Parts: sequence; structure tokens; C-alpha cells
Amino acid sequence: DAGITQSPRHKVTETGTPVTLRCHQTENHRYMYWYRQDPGHGLRLIHYSYGVKDTDKGEVSDGYSVSRSKTEDFLLTLESATSSQTSVYFCAISLGGQGTEAFFGQGTRLTVV
Amino acid sequence: KQEVTQIPAALSVPEGENLVLNCSFTDSAIYNLQWFRQDPGKGLTSLLLIQSSQREQTSGRLNASLDKSSGRSTLYIAASQPGDSATYLCAAGSGNTGKLIFGQGTTLQVKP
Repeated sequence: DAGITQSPRHKVTETGTPVTLRCHQTENHRYMYWYRQDPGHGLRLIHYSYGVKDTDKGEVSDGYSVSRSKTEDFLLTLESATSSQTSVYFCAISLGGQGTEAFFGQGTRLTVV
Repeated sequence: KQEVTQIPAALSVPEGENLVLNCSFTDSAIYNLQWFRQDPGKGLTSLLLIQSSQREQTSGRLNASLDKSSGRSTLYIAASQPGDSATYLCAAGSGNTGKLIFGQGTTLQVKP
């Protein structure tokens, strides 16, 4: 497995509380991504990063923010969690460019009650 | 906007059968096409990556093809085994940022 660690693996939180998910990589890949997976929607990109402090929005970025202060860490923050953000969140990494694969972490199951 | 479709959503076959999983995409200007396997409650495991300039890639019993002109990719699994039971996802790469657009997957069950 690629060296990607997501934490926590499971979390239950209340509506309106802030939540931060962490992705840590040991591969020194330039690009890091956050996706969410939902029944009926598949995987959708939330935000991605192309370097330290360099981030951009994905398809479903509303309600989420990200930060990357070190190459190895990419944080996803839900400023005020809502029930619609109940999902499985996956972190991925890649070197970027045409010939490089994306590798995924094991996921974080987040439930907002 | 790129859209990726996988049909069928579910497939059940007897052990030993050769099978083909289909993936179609609307924008032929893809950067690459990647196939993944996902077991229940687990992350995604990369199976094969096909660059836009390639027609196919092979790994063991798996062969993936890419036809950009028709907007299609197929994943061929030879001599299927119960251990192949999983959800298979295809994803189209858009540009050198590595962003992926996913299909919704085909859930495969291989019966002993």
C-alpha cells in the first residue's frame, strides 16, 4: 500500500461543530486530494493541493476548507458540520502528470447527527 | 463537463468465466484512464493506468483497453475467481493535475 494514513478512521459529530480530517503521506508526492464517496454519486473531488500552501477547489467544495503547511500533510476542515456532509472521505496522492497513478487512503467514515 | 458512466451497476457470474466491465466517458480529451478495485468498507486499490497515448495495459489476469475516439474503456478479467468479487471503478484523468472524474462503479460477484 502507498504510504497514506487518514485519521480518524471513524468519527461521529454533532451538527454545527467543526471537524478536521487529516491525511498524512510518506511518498513525497506533490499532489494531494480529498474526495467524498456517497451512494448514487460515486466519488467526487472536494479540494486538491499542488504544493505547500497551494490549493484549489474541486467539484463539491462548498462547506469545506483545506490547508497544507507541509508536503506530507493535507487537512480537510468542515467549519460547521451538516447532515449532508455525512459521507466517507478519501485522501489520495499522485505525482501529477500524464503517466502517474493516483493512490488512495483507507477512508474516514464521518457521521453528522 | 466530463461524465463517466459504468454499465452494468452490478454483475454476477460463475467462477471461471471471462468477463468485461465497461466504462464510457463523454470528453475524449482525457489525460489518462485509471481502473480501481474497492472492497466493502475499504479504500481504492489501483489496478491499471492507461495513458491517453496508449491503447491497453495488462496486469496478470487483467487487461484494460482505451478507445478515445469512441469514449470507451473496458476492463477484461480472465478466468474469474471468487476473490475478484468487489466493486470496480473507472476514473478519467483531466489534465496534469491528476484530478479524476469517477464512474459509479460495477459491483461484481463471482460465485464458486
